[in-house]
Amino acid sequence: DAKTTQPPSMDCAEGRAANLPCNHSTISGNEYVYWYRQIHSQGPQYIIHGLKNNETNEMASLIITEDRKSSTLILPHATLRDTAVYYCIVSPGHTNDYKLSFGAGTTVTVRA
Amino acid sequence: NAGVTQTPKFQVLKTGQSMTLQCAQDMNHNSMYWYRQDPGMGLRLIYYSASEGTTDKGEVPNGYNVSRLNKREFSLRLESAAPSQTSVYFCASSASRVGANVLTFGAGSRLTVL
Repeated sequence: DAKTTQPPSMDCAEGRAANLPCNHSTISGNEYVYWYRQIHSQGPQYIIHGLKNNETNEMASLIITEDRKSSTLILPHATLRDTAVYYCIVSPGHTNDYKLSFGAGTTVTVRA
Repeated sequence: NAGVTQTPKFQVLKTGQSMTLQCAQDMNHNSMYWYRQDPGMGLRLIYYSASEGTTDKGEVPNGYNVSRLNKREFSLRLESAAPSQTSVYFCASSASRVGANVLTFGAGSRLTVL
């Protein structure tokens, strides 16, 4: 699996957009970008995933650069409940590979 | 729906004791996983089961055994617990469709080995 690099921590203000970067410069053509988050010792929660195109759902938006070497997760209006560790993961999206490898992630603190 | 249910939520063992962590999912998922998370670290994959009847080692399988009892249940056994196995254990499941291997996690089982 391709490795990812994320900043260890970041702060953002409540109500503002939070932009979380992820570098995955060795990503291969069949690998998807996944984002999960983990709120204080709970089980990780799926947020969003994408292959090439930008994606949006009710939780967040995912922007993937054209060369696919980096991506940004956007939380449009951060709330205190978005304080969590955010994990960026790349993994093949085919049925022969079932494993997701979690790194250290980015600890996001949303401040009032 | 309950999703992924893990039992027990908390357990304290003495070195050398054995125990089994239970995991069940009600989403008809094909694949199931066991991860461990040590303080301040990310999750590491212990074992996974791509489908009923198959199991494979992950990154840190030593000291553990697993059983995929049926499609719903995937158990993790510590035969002789060691203090290094003190951790939070997470079970997860996924439908494993092409292009969308989205995992659903349980709430975790906190294990302390003295």
